Amino acid sequence: DVVMTQSPLSLPVTLGQPASISCRSSQSLVYTDGNTYLNWFHQRPGQSPRRLIYKVSDRDSGVPDRFSGSGSGTDFTLKISRVEAEDVGVYYCMQGTHWPPTFGQGTKVEIK
Amino acid sequence: QVQLVESGGGVVQPGTSLRLSCVASGFTFNTYGMHWVRQAPGKGLEWVAIVWYDETTKYYSDSVNGRFTISRDNSKNTVHLQMNSLRVEDTAIYYCARGTNLDSWGQGTQVIVSS
Repeated sequence: DVVMTQSPLSLPVTLGQPASISCRSSQSLVYTDGNTYLNWFHQRPGQSPRRLIYKVSDRDSGVPDRFSGSGSGTDFTLKISRVEAEDVGVYYCMQGTHWPPTFGQGTKVEIK
Repeated sequence: QVQLVESGGGVVQPGTSLRLSCVASGFTFNTYGMHWVRQAPGKGLEWVAIVWYDETTKYYSDSVNGRFTISRDNSKNTVHLQMNSLRVEDTAIYYCARGTNLDSWGQGTQVIVSS
């Protein structure tokens, strides 16, 4: 199975400051169709996960533009340009290129 | 809007069975594959199973293969997860999610396996 490794696992941030989460895969996530199926999810405490980003950098509907995804091959990054209070929770990367789908361990974002 | 509502969770003893259901609305159900993903207490997300839109293909994680069965009823916009031979380590919140890249999730249903 493809191993997804996130860092850091804990990220204290100051409101209004940027934040960045790294996700690395054990294999290239480029699929035979040329797409890279790397997604980012956000889970607030007590809630179900919500997809933020798909195919590395496409934002889901309703996701604020302070969230951006980038990367290629095996190295990916989720960035929050200016952290807001509602951004706390756990962020997961997930690859959908290889079977089975696999998730990163999660990065817990909290306000300093 | 897309809505996924899971049900069927509960407290059961090891070795017993449970059947989870997920009722979908707000989209054309029979055109989407559907997943089950679980989350053990205080842990991360673990993919469990997927069924193709037409039920022709199903995949399972190694941890549930041979014990769990995913199915769907497109006439009722419902996907099921039949869980047999339950183990303590199957204790988790079980979510259903839509589509190849899990673009919508339900609120989850809790399964506790304990003696």
